[in-house]
Amino acid sequence: DTEVTQTPKHLVMGMTNKKSLKCEQHMGHRAMYWYKQKAKKPPELMFVYSYEKLSINESVPSRFSPECPNSSLLNLHLHALQPEDSALYLCASSQVEQFNTEAFFGQGTRLTVV
Amino acid sequence: GENVEQHPSTLSVQEGDSAVIKCTYSDSASNYFPWYKQELGKRPQLIIDIRSNVGEKKDQRIAVTLNKTAKHFSLHITETQPEDSAVYFCAASKGDFGNEKLTFGTGTRLTIIP
Repeated sequence: DTEVTQTPKHLVMGMTNKKSLKCEQHMGHRAMYWYKQKAKKPPELMFVYSYEKLSINESVPSRFSPECPNSSLLNLHLHALQPEDSALYLCASSQVEQFNTEAFFGQGTRLTVV
Repeated sequence: GENVEQHPSTLSVQEGDSAVIKCTYSDSASNYFPWYKQELGKRPQLIIDIRSNVGEKKDQRIAVTLNKTAKHFSLHITETQPEDSAVYFCAASKGDFGNEKLTFGTGTRLTIIP
């Protein structure tokens, strides 16, 4: 199984809503990542979890709150988002036991904030 | 932080011809250079990668070259086919043990003309 599964695929939310994005992998990867990708732009790193601990936060606004409840799951909790937060949110995972390994991406959640 | 520049932003190639995409990076400590292909509406997928201790790597029709001194690396696709049409991203990382922090280039939209 080399899949990273993200749910939901599409999400429309109001600026006062609270929602969560979910990501799951069963490859035994102990590093998991959230990226944000705007249209016609490259993915931009938001958060990195290593062994279920947050290791990198790329100065992301607090309205985005990541959570890694176990080694297979990664969540991104959303609250009071702005329309400019509309984007494709990609989850990825990789091994950490080997130095510099492939990051496997999920298919993304396309988020629209209205 | 790392800065990755990618050229050209768009590239049209006749089917069967070769395509070359070039990237430069700024951080001499970067040591892992993957290339991702992203088809419209789909996830980025790794097509080839190279580590800093290697100058060239080939996988069938795809090759990557790395010049550490000049801090640039290139993707070469030979005998292009319509299914090669996609956006290609180069990336650079100086991943530490337990982390993988990719910085992506701005992307190249490759169109193969039948």
